[in-house]
Amino acid sequence: DAKTTQPPSMDCAEGRAANLPCNHSTISGNEYVYWYRQIHSQGPQYIIHGLKNNETNEMASLIITEDRKSSTLILPHATLRDTAVYYCIVRVPQGGSEKLVFGKGTKLTVNP
Amino acid sequence: EAGVAQSPRYKIIEKRQSVAFWCNPISGHATLYWYQQILGQGPKLLIQFQNNGVVDDSQLPKDRFSAERLKGVDSTLKIQPAKLEDSAVYLCASSLDGGAYTDTQYFGPGTRLTVL
Repeated sequence: DAKTTQPPSMDCAEGRAANLPCNHSTISGNEYVYWYRQIHSQGPQYIIHGLKNNETNEMASLIITEDRKSSTLILPHATLRDTAVYYCIVRVPQGGSEKLVFGKGTKLTVNP
Repeated sequence: EAGVAQSPRYKIIEKRQSVAFWCNPISGHATLYWYQQILGQGPKLLIQFQNNGVVDDSQLPKDRFSAERLKGVDSTLKIQPAKLEDSAVYLCASSLDGGAYTDTQYFGPGTRLTVL
């Protein structure tokens, strides 16, 4: 089962920051937090991942709380093309492979 | 760099028929994954290959689903016989080295299967 909790849907105005929350209160010390998104009729796309420190790349920023029980994905200037389902995933060790367990994610709608 | 290729993109069959999906991963990627995504849910891992060996097939319904990756490159997922509940999008993904904690998975566009 997924180890994360996300709101089912969120709205954001175009050009504004989109802040997507995720709770992962049972995360272990060596488990990473990953974010993927899935635009309609496409496969999931990797966005960013982190362990303890905040991370930033060309797509987004990831803020992880000090106790690591929650995180926030930030899209600094959302565009209409950012409308998608966003998945927060805690990467689960599985017999030598680190599988991704997807929940239902957050449906982000960016409005003009 | 070319992405993960899948075919066909769409398939409609009747229940009890068989169907096969094909995936060609990103060149050089050792690990290949097949996921099933039912409408309104997140993808669920069916099987993971490391080169041509199976790493995890714990959620593959082995009475009707089979998958192979004979030469450690492309892969085929088969369903025989199909049931109505198999209607879903079947996603293929690949990664450089599935055993690494920070290994990123890259997904193909998926095959949408409808079973009537």
